[in-house]
Amino acid sequence: DTEVTQTPKHLVMGMTNKKSLKCEQHMGHRAMYWYKQKAKKPPELMFVYSYEKLSINESVPSRFSPECPNSSLLNLHLHALQPEDSALYLCASSPRDRDRTDTQYFGPGTRLTVL
Amino acid sequence: GEDVEQSLFLSVREGDSSVINCTYTDSSSTYLYWYKQEPGAGLQLLTYIFSNMDMKQDQRLTVLLNKKDKHLSLRIADTQTGDSAIYFCAEIKAGNNRKLIWGLGTSLAVNP
Repeated sequence: DTEVTQTPKHLVMGMTNKKSLKCEQHMGHRAMYWYKQKAKKPPELMFVYSYEKLSINESVPSRFSPECPNSSLLNLHLHALQPEDSALYLCASSPRDRDRTDTQYFGPGTRLTVL
Repeated sequence: GEDVEQSLFLSVREGDSSVINCTYTDSSSTYLYWYKQEPGAGLQLLTYIFSNMDMKQDQRLTVLLNKKDKHLSLRIADTQTGDSAIYFCAEIKAGNNRKLIWGLGTSLAVNP
């Protein structure tokens, strides 16, 4: 099983709403990632959790708040977003094992629209 | 530098071979990846190559790496309409960060 799942597939929210994006993997990977991707652009790294600890935070605004409840789950809590935050939000995971390539596997993404 | 460069567009006829090129600048790169993204979908890992390899073949896909010129290419044989997508080249370096550095992506259009 090399699947990363994400819910919901689509999300429309107002600027005052609070919502959460969810990601799950059952590959035994120990690193999980959140990316933001605008149309026809490469993904931009937002956060990395390695062994359930936040290891990279790419200066993302505080209206995005990541959470890693366990090694299989990753959440992204959203609050007071702006229309420019509309994008495809991708989750990825990788083994984070020294003997392996640390290849990242991506989920299908959540298409977020902020009105 | 950390630049990864790709040509932005490629158009081929169905049944022809496609060659998508990528150049990178950091010689410390350890692994180089090709990801495919179809419209509205996530990123699908196509293949990767370790920096001490010259070539890797997987069915219709052939990856060539010229480490001296820092040039990577992806050849798709017998290109089909289902191959129409954006193809991203990415590199990863040794070390604890292991952050992926992405190219801008090549949009491949396959014409019947």
